[in-house]
Amino acid sequence: GAVVSQHPSRVICKSGTSVKIECRSLDFQATTMFWYRQFPKQSLMLMATSNEGSKATYEQGVEKDKFLINHASLTLSTLTVTSAHPEDSSFYICSARDLRATSNQPQHFGDGTRLSIL
Amino acid sequence: RKEVEQDPGPFNVPEGATVAFNCTYSNSASQSFFWYRQDCRKEPKLLMSVYSSGNEDGRFTAQLNRASQYISLLIRDSKLSDSATYLCVVNAQGSGNTGKLIFGQGTTLQVKP
Repeated sequence: GAVVSQHPSRVICKSGTSVKIECRSLDFQATTMFWYRQFPKQSLMLMATSNEGSKATYEQGVEKDKFLINHASLTLSTLTVTSAHPEDSSFYICSARDLRATSNQPQHFGDGTRLSIL
Repeated sequence: RKEVEQDPGPFNVPEGATVAFNCTYSNSASQSFFWYRQDCRKEPKLLMSVYSSGNEDGRFTAQLNRASQYISLLIRDSKLSDSATYLCVVNAQGSGNTGKLIFGQGTTLQVKP
């Protein structure tokens, strides 16, 4: 089946550090990838839609200068949390759609990255 | 009003029980519906897509009522391994084929021996 690899799975770092998370589709191509954030006991909240070769589309309330997204190829999107602070500590998950998929086909999720800012 | 609403539970049931989860969505234009399962501190995994005619996969049955904007998931003969959070997921308004999804807050199921 389709596989999405997300790296790293766990990050612990000091406040002020920038953290880069990678999301790769391993056996399919994805023009669109999605970045979600999940706080404890809450559901996944879409942060932004990553579009290959163009700017990402951010959801309301998500700072684009804080969460930098790059989608330079059909198999890789990166999310950089710049100058992270403790309130950015969360579970970040990416998903990807096969570019051949129709709207009623599901997305494939990465394993998630647990980010802890001290 | 939330775009996708679920009863958060938790639902505590004995092994072998039948349990049903409900979900309502606000956007009548939504076309795609899914149930995902999420284990603690893990990523969501697709359980099943939901079709208008209803669909079944083993012990799991999903139903969609477009008129009421209501989705359900029935689990028969519950197993201990069914303990998880079940997420109702709907494609977002105006998303067309972009695949943008809206997640419910999830319903937690605990199956007891």
